[in-house]
Amino acid sequence: KAGVTQTPRYLIKTRGQQVTLSCSPISGHRSVSWYQQTPGQGLQFLFEYFSETQRNKGNFPGRFSGRQFSNSRSEMNVSTLELGDSALYLCASSPSGIVDTQYFGPGTRLTVL
Amino acid sequence: GENVEQHPSTLSVQEGDSAVIKCTYSDSASNYFPWYKQELGKGPQLIIDIRSNVGEKKDQRIAVTLNKTAKHFSLHITETQPEDSAVYFCAASSLIGGTSYGKLTFGQGTILTVHP
Repeated sequence: KAGVTQTPRYLIKTRGQQVTLSCSPISGHRSVSWYQQTPGQGLQFLFEYFSETQRNKGNFPGRFSGRQFSNSRSEMNVSTLELGDSALYLCASSPSGIVDTQYFGPGTRLTVL
Repeated sequence: GENVEQHPSTLSVQEGDSAVIKCTYSDSASNYFPWYKQELGKGPQLIIDIRSNVGEKKDQRIAVTLNKTAKHFSLHITETQPEDSAVYFCAASSLIGGTSYGKLTFGQGTILTVHP
């Protein structure tokens, strides 16, 4: 079974721009969670989607948003990029998102200049 | 909300030794505790997990123990090998009204180095 895929793997943007990251979950998984990983803050939960609905949200500003499509693929968007948004963005998929094992993708490395 | 503390932040062992990493959590309602291994340039890989109705789980050289009363859980790696060198993260399910809705709260990570 193919694992979680994320595209692109690397991105370089400048302050003020916006960016869209994509995640394809494991086949059959309907829950997709997004995390931000930085050296200072570690792994922090952004939000979770299930059946195209956001069910859970972490403590991030409204510049961070996401969506999920009917095939369970998910995108996250960051608008008005700041230097502090430079991070590894990880998505994880699970069958239902309810105390399920989460499987992570390789991440998208975002650098904001 | 849930808070997870992980210790030590770095751990250096000789090949063949055992390694132990400990985590404590704050929410007594948390009921799922996975451990992930992250190698450079890769996403976290699940290595073992335990649910709150079990006290110990073992998979070859890796074991996890859970003490619900003390709210802590530990990862034990025996007969360490150089390829075990990586960053290890513990996590706990974060519940809202009894359901996690895809949220894990992670510890800060432990850099494990196994010297040949």
